Amino acid sequence: QSALTQPPSASGSPGQSVTISCTGTSSDVGGYNYVSWYQQHPGKAPKLLIYEVSKRPSGVPGRFSGSKSGNTASLTVSGLQAEDEADYYCSSYAGSNIVFGTGTKVTVL
Amino acid sequence: EVQLVESGGGLVQPGGSLRLSCAASGFTFNYYMHWVRQAPGKGLVWVSDINTDGTITNYADSVKGRFTISRDNAKSTLYLQMNSLRAEDTALYFCVRSRGETAFDIWGQGTMVTVSS
Repeated sequence: QSALTQPPSASGSPGQSVTISCTGTSSDVGGYNYVSWYQQHPGKAPKLLIYEVSKRPSGVPGRFSGSKSGNTASLTVSGLQAEDEADYYCSSYAGSNIVFGTGTKVTVL
Repeated sequence: EVQLVESGGGLVQPGGSLRLSCAASGFTFNYYMHWVRQAPGKGLVWVSDINTDGTITNYADSVKGRFTISRDNAKSTLYLQMNSLRAEDTALYFCVRSRGETAFDIWGQGTMVTVSS
């Protein structure tokens, strides 16, 4: 049950795009289409952004998108806004358990 | 309003026990439910889940044999019994609802558990 690997940090200017990777194995990310992404602001509970690799819950802006190739999933935030500055976590089903990523801090320059 | 409210956290000595509760409101309590924890300044870690009728439970290896998840559907309440607590169990514990089994769509605000002598 090792954590999925994410880059510690990412950044971009307002209006730009940033992509965060989430690397696992064939036992988690690569084996199931159950990757989710969460946004967490300081002192707040996480918020679901993406589920089942690329689906967006109602209310989540379309500038958040998800994809997967092999053992690596990705979250892209297009048209960066100041309020997108937060920590982002991926998660994946891993067969009777769920594993989170190590987290990525996104800074809006 | 859809809401999850945790309670039961606190300071406990190593080897001690605590029981966390999570009261659900604003929705029918027939969802998979989970506990997720976050140590201070650290990332999210899945702890345990339970199916809709409480017959299937799963645990992270780090808590297996020490923690027990349960639910009372009549009271719309989720529980986590934590025994043999260790310093590394110190964390904010979130109660979480999932759509399907894996998409955590509703989170509580968390209850803090501190294990220290």
